[in-house]
This record gives sequence, structure tokens and C-alpha cells, in this order.
Amino acid sequence: NAGVTQTPKFQVLKTGQSMTLQCAQDMNHEYMSWYRQDPGMGLRLIHYSVGAGITDQGEVPNGYNVSRSTTEDFPLRLLSAAPSQTSVYFCASSYSRDRGLNTEAFFGQGTRLTVV
Amino acid sequence: KQEVTQIPAALSVPEGENLVLNCSFTDSAIYNLQWFRQDPGKGLTSLLLIQSSQREQTSGRLNASLDKSSGRSTLYIAASQPGDSATYLCAVMDTGRRALTFGSGTRLQVQP
Repeated sequence: NAGVTQTPKFQVLKTGQSMTLQCAQDMNHEYMSWYRQDPGMGLRLIHYSVGAGITDQGEVPNGYNVSRSTTEDFPLRLLSAAPSQTSVYFCASSYSRDRGLNTEAFFGQGTRLTVV
Repeated sequence: KQEVTQIPAALSVPEGENLVLNCSFTDSAIYNLQWFRQDPGKGLTSLLLIQSSQREQTSGRLNASLDKSSGRSTLYIAASQPGDSATYLCAVMDTGRRALTFGSGTRLQVQP
């Protein structure tokens, strides 16, 4: 059972560089979301998706783009990295509440990003 | 806007004690509430999920309760062990959104 897989686990970027954080799930979950975790601030929602082709902004979307072309994948793109984006990024997935299934959220192991 | 608060921020107890972690949320229109465990440098592990229509859930030594009308949840850990040392996070899914709002967590240390 792979669950939610995030790559890479660690990344160092220079200011201004762009990159894509990958997230894939093999549980056929409709909902996927991206969070960032900063010390003392808990997890904050960046973007989320309720299904292929549908995305929406969370609380801290600036500087990030997402797309959802398949059910399995939900990549997060940093357009022009800034030191303020140094953080740990988590991807999560769950079933849609409309299916009447358990909507427990499952998380990947995280990507630790440092922008210098 | 939903806000989730966890008290205390940190807790240190001797092994064997029963303990309670608190979570409060400002908007009672929630779909579910989930408790997670996070070990240092690791991802989140789901502990318990409580649907809005439920009052509590139990798993082993863990019991989570939900009082939606007062905007409160508690996580009860019985007979704590050093292996329980971790950060515990509470998160709610609002009825109007399909993602979670997290508290800042309670960092638990169980002393042998």
C-alpha cells in the first residue's frame, strides 16, 4: 500500500528558481490538498482539489500554482521561490463526502524545502 | 473563518498518567474532526476521526470526544507511555469546505 507519496523529500532552491513538488495517491481519493507547516504555526492550507480538473485556493495560495489533470496526481508548483517559502510541505487525500465513505484524511511524509 | 485552538501547547507527564488534550473551534458547522499524531521530522498519522453526528470514538488507549455545539473536542490518553511522546494535532473539516483547518498542536513528553 503506497498511500500518499511525495517527492522529493528534501530540496534546496535558490531565490527565484521554480520547481514542482509531486504528490500521488493510489487510493482513488477525490479530495487532495496541499499544506505548509511552519514552526509554531500548525499546518496552513495552500490549495485543494475536489476532483480532476477542479482546484481552489486555501489560506496561503500566493506564489503557488496547482493543477489536477488526473485523480491520482496533484503537483504543487513554486513559480519563483522566495525565502519565505522555506517550510515543510504536506500533501493529503481523502474520499469525497458525497460517496458516503470514510472521509479520513491521509498524509504524505512531507517535503522539506529550503530557499536560500 | 474557522479557527482551531489547542491547549496546552506543551505537556510533560510521568509514565502511567492519564491525560487530556483539548481542542476548540470557533465555527460549529463542521463535517468532521480528526486527531493526528506527528513525530519529529515525520508526516501525520491519523489517530481518530469523529463525524459531526458522533459524540466519541475509541481506539485502544485513545478516546476522542466531540461536543459540536460548544465547539470542543478532547483526546484522552490512558496509561501514557514514553512511546506516546509526539505532537498531537486536531483538525476540522467545515461543511462549506473540502479541506482541513488545523490547530497548532500539543507537544507531549511522557517521562519514563
